[in-house]
Amino acid sequence: DTGVSQNPRHKITKRGQNVTFRCDPISEHNRLYWYRQTLGQGPEFLTYFQNEAQLEKSRLLSDRFSAERPKGSFSTLEIQRTEQGDSAMYLCATGPPNQETQYFGPGTRLLVL
Amino acid sequence: QKEVEQDPGPLSVPEGAIVSLNCTYSNSAFQYFMWYRQYSRKGPELLMYTYSSGNKEDGRFTAQVDKSSKYISLFIRDSQPSDSATYLCAMSGPPTDSWGKLQFGAGTQVVVTP
Repeated sequence: DTGVSQNPRHKITKRGQNVTFRCDPISEHNRLYWYRQTLGQGPEFLTYFQNEAQLEKSRLLSDRFSAERPKGSFSTLEIQRTEQGDSAMYLCATGPPNQETQYFGPGTRLLVL
Repeated sequence: QKEVEQDPGPLSVPEGAIVSLNCTYSNSAFQYFMWYRQYSRKGPELLMYTYSSGNKEDGRFTAQVDKSSKYISLFIRDSQPSDSATYLCAMSGPPTDSWGKLQFGAGTQVVVTP
């Protein structure tokens, strides 16, 4: 399968714990986005990487959230001190250079108890 | 008010009918328009991509963009039960301004009954 992959697919954690999600992009896709989706809503933009550089962060991304993309390959999204309001589907999307299309992974569903 | 408005449905149609979906938007800078299909608890799947105004056809799917009215549409011909899903419209502005980040509608749930 050469699509975008995300791990884990599901995560249940207790409030206050830290969690980390991973996204592996389609090969040669230099653009990588993280989105968050809650029930009944469309995905909302969180952050954007072009290669290894994080070029934009949404105001939705509080200081408890951090994302990295070392070497411009896979990316990680970490949430520290999770809150119940962080419960959502976290989606990764990647896109090829010089095109505006984005291809989504299957998502990581987070439940904070 | 949201930048992208989409009727949440549900929209129920009999098998074989044409499904008509639409979105309106307020940001005139949007110039890239996409439709995604999302099955329950899955990631969105890209169906159609259109740049600026015009029509695009791909198999049973037709996408239309009317930038003057800030209105986009997706038509699905000969609908099948397997088309039952949530359909999301998405759009973005010039890459130099927005880095390609997508603004999504809330999604329309479509149910195709046999």
